[in-house]
Amino acid sequence: KQEVTQIPAALSVPEGENLVLNCSFTDSAIYNLQWFRQDPGKGLTSLLLIQSSQREQTSGRLNASLDKSSGRSTLYIAASQPGDSATYLCAVRPDFGNEKLTFGTGTRLTIIP
Amino acid sequence: DTGVSQNPRHKITKRGQNVTFRCDPISEHNRLYWYRQTLGQGPEFLTYFQNEAQLEKSRLLSDRFSAERPKGSFSTLEIQRTEQGDSAMYLCASGPETQYFGPGTRLLVL
Repeated sequence: KQEVTQIPAALSVPEGENLVLNCSFTDSAIYNLQWFRQDPGKGLTSLLLIQSSQREQTSGRLNASLDKSSGRSTLYIAASQPGDSATYLCAVRPDFGNEKLTFGTGTRLTIIP
Repeated sequence: DTGVSQNPRHKITKRGQNVTFRCDPISEHNRLYWYRQTLGQGPEFLTYFQNEAQLEKSRLLSDRFSAERPKGSFSTLEIQRTEQGDSAMYLCASGPETQYFGPGTRLLVL
């Protein structure tokens, strides 16, 4: 059974700093990995999707990497802003035609002005 | 593209009542997913449709839960005889590849 872990559960960082969020998964047989952002009481916003054959994806100040063999992904946020404060969730989609996502419990990020 | 919409956004009900939620996916998406999220946890998969066919159901989806997508467009999720443990955010997503999520329906069972 796939398990996804995100450590730390919460992180506070001064505005302007660069930061890295971590995601690990136990079964490397994945089709893709997605990073999401969730604001309090809201739905999920997709940030980046990395296919299993890719090593990284970039969007603006965000860069996500994937090391499938070691079961790890990171989300790098450059020049953090107070508006980046949210919970960040990673989710993996397994291989072999199964389309359900397995989520981690998220990292709650607070950017201190 | 108006995004995934869900209605109602909030629902408060008494234990034992039935509730129904609706999800309208992005129009060209043939895949539709339901997830449940409790406080402090990541979403958990409930069920998935491709067009009108329900292809997978989680064991979390007890016999009190039923989901339909009758014409391959919108979907409904019904919970019968609600229990306090059903209190959660119910999320709908659609997509071909990337799953795009709606704002969710927050259910509180008193």
